[in-house]
Parts: sequence; C-alpha cells; structure tokens
Amino acid sequence: EIVLTQSPGTLSLAPGERATLSCRASQTFSNDFLAWYQQRPGQAPRLLFYAASKRATGVPDSFSASGSGTDFTLTISRLEPEDFAVYYCQQYGNSPRTFGQGTKVEVK
Amino acid sequence: QVQLQESGPRLVRPSETLSLTCNVSDDVLSPSYWSWLRQPAGKGPEWIGRIYVGGTTNYNPSLKGRATLSLDTSKKRFSLQIRSVTAADTAVYYCAKDSSSGYWPHWGQGTPVTVSS
Repeated sequence: EIVLTQSPGTLSLAPGERATLSCRASQTFSNDFLAWYQQRPGQAPRLLFYAASKRATGVPDSFSASGSGTDFTLTISRLEPEDFAVYYCQQYGNSPRTFGQGTKVEVK
Repeated sequence: QVQLQESGPRLVRPSETLSLTCNVSDDVLSPSYWSWLRQPAGKGPEWIGRIYVGGTTNYNPSLKGRATLSLDTSKKRFSLQIRSVTAADTAVYYCAKDSSSGYWPHWGQGTPVTVSS
C-alpha cells in the first residue's frame, strides 16, 4: 500500500497570504495519478485537482497543483476566507487507493 | 450532475453488521464504478470498496474480508455491509461515483456511524 505523507500538518496563515502544501508518496505510482481535495467542516471532500495538475470544474485560478514521481504540491496563491479548510492528497495509480492524513489551513 | 445520498442506522452494536445504502439521482445507474469510503474523526478518508454496474467488486484488504458491496440497478442504489464491527469502524461513511481513472468527483454528504454498546 502506498503511504502519502502530507506536510505541514497545520498551516497558520492570514487571508491574502500564499499557502504551499506538500504530499510525498512512499513510492512512485502509475501515471502520476494524484488528486487533491478540499474538505470544509461537516462537508464531504471536494475534488480540486486530478492527474497531479488538472484543475477540476469550478476550482478558482488561485489554486494550482504540480509534481511528479513521489513529490507533489498544492499552492493557493492568495487565501480567501473560504479557503481555510483541510486539504487531502489521494493516489489512484495503485490499489488500494490511499489518502494522505491531511493539511489543515487555519487562520493566523 | 449526479447526486448521492447515504442512509442507514447511525448506531451499530459491536460484533453486529453495519448496513448502509446509497441512493443515486441518475436516471439509471450509469456504467461506472461506485465506491464506499469512510473517514474516522480527525483522519483522512479510507477507500472501502467499489462495485461496477455489472456486479464486479474490489475491496480494500484493510477490511480483511468483512465488507460486501451490492447494487440494485432498477432502484438506482448500491449498498455496503460490514460484518463483525468494532469501535474501529466508527466513522463518517460516504458513497461516491468513481471517475474512469479512479478519483472521486462526486460524493454523498456522508452519514456518521458509531459502533457502541
């Protein structure tokens, strides 16, 4: 099973600041099949990116994602109030599909 | 856009069977994989298993054979059963529609299940 390690565990930032979230895999997986999700309290995860860098429908341009191999990054260029949430990465290149433990972006 | 809604008991006794159903808003249960996931409080989601509209299933080995997925295409719903539950099975349970590649663009709102006597 591929283990995804996200860092940092918590990111304390002010609105308008830039957030950089990391996701590192324990091994490579097929086709850089990595997705990112946002989860607000009491809600289901919302897909942000798939295939490492392809933006899902409706995701603002302030979000970007990159990476390959075992190292992936999600960047939020300017934090809006609604962006404060928990973010998860997920690999779907190997079975079983697995998630990271999450990075919480909180208001500083 | 497809909508999914989980339903089932919120409290299950230890050693008993957890049973949940996911109702789908599609006109038909489209040719796709349909998955169940769960998320314990404060942790990342965990994929439990998936079922194809033709009946093929795949499961996460972490469930050690305790999970069974089934579907009813005429009623546009699919179901999850987990046998011999323990407190470790306490979580919010989600149903979701798989993309063709294996990520999840469509999720239900989730239903909390507690295993306790």
